[in-house]
Amino acid sequence: DQQVKQNSPSLSVQEGRISILNCDYTNSMFDYFLWYKKYPAEGPTFLISISSIKDKNEDGRFTVFLNKSAKHLSLHIVPSQPGDSAVYFCAATLLISGTYKYIFGTGTRLKVLA
Amino acid sequence: EAQVTQNPRYLITVTGKKLTVTCSQNMNHEYMSWYRQDPGLGLRQIYYSMNVEVTDKGDVPEGYKVSRKEKRNFPLILESPSPNQTSLYFCASSFTFGNTIYFGEGSWLTVV
Repeated sequence: DQQVKQNSPSLSVQEGRISILNCDYTNSMFDYFLWYKKYPAEGPTFLISISSIKDKNEDGRFTVFLNKSAKHLSLHIVPSQPGDSAVYFCAATLLISGTYKYIFGTGTRLKVLA
Repeated sequence: EAQVTQNPRYLITVTGKKLTVTCSQNMNHEYMSWYRQDPGLGLRQIYYSMNVEVTDKGDVPEGYKVSRKEKRNFPLILESPSPNQTSLYFCASSFTFGNTIYFGEGSWLTVV
C-alpha cells in the first residue's frame, strides 16, 4: 500500500504562472514532509520541508501547504521559471521502531514553458 | 564541498557477475541509505545504516547486501545480479535519521 501518492505524473505550466504540485498521504503519524527536486542525470536535491505541526512554510518562490485533515500536501512555485523544469518528489518521515523512515512518492514531472 | 559520491555512475554487467557500487560522504553523517528509482514506483529504500556496523533492511532488500565498516562509506553489493535489478540507484546520507537527506548523483545499472 503506497503511503505517499503523487497522482499527477506530469504538469505543464507557462513561465511566470503558478505551479501547484500535489501529494496525498495515508498515515496520520508522519511527522515531517519534504519536497525534493531532481534534474536528469543528477541526484534529488532538497527543496523545502514542513513539520506536521505547521500548515505552511515559505522559502522564496516556494511555499508548501499542509492540510492535515485532508492528508494533503502541496508545493506552490510562484512565479514559475524554465529552470524549475524537473521531477519533484514529495516525501514523508515516519518513526518506526526507533528509526525514522523516509517514504517517497512516485514523482511529478514539471515542465515550465517559456 | 559537501557531497555524496557514488561509483560507478554507469555500468552494464551480465547476470550473475558480482558487483559493488561504492558510496562515500564527506559530511560526517551518521545515517546512510540506498534507494532505487524505477518508472512509476518512485524511490524505494533498499538498505539503511544508522551508524558504523549498524545496518538494516529497507523496503526492497532482496538480492542486495551492504556493509558499514567506516562512517563515510556504505557500499552496495549485488552478489548475483539479475535483470530485474536494472535500475537507477541513489546513495543518501544525513546527520541523524529524520533530518534532510542528501543524495548522490545516481548510478545507472543495467544487467543483461
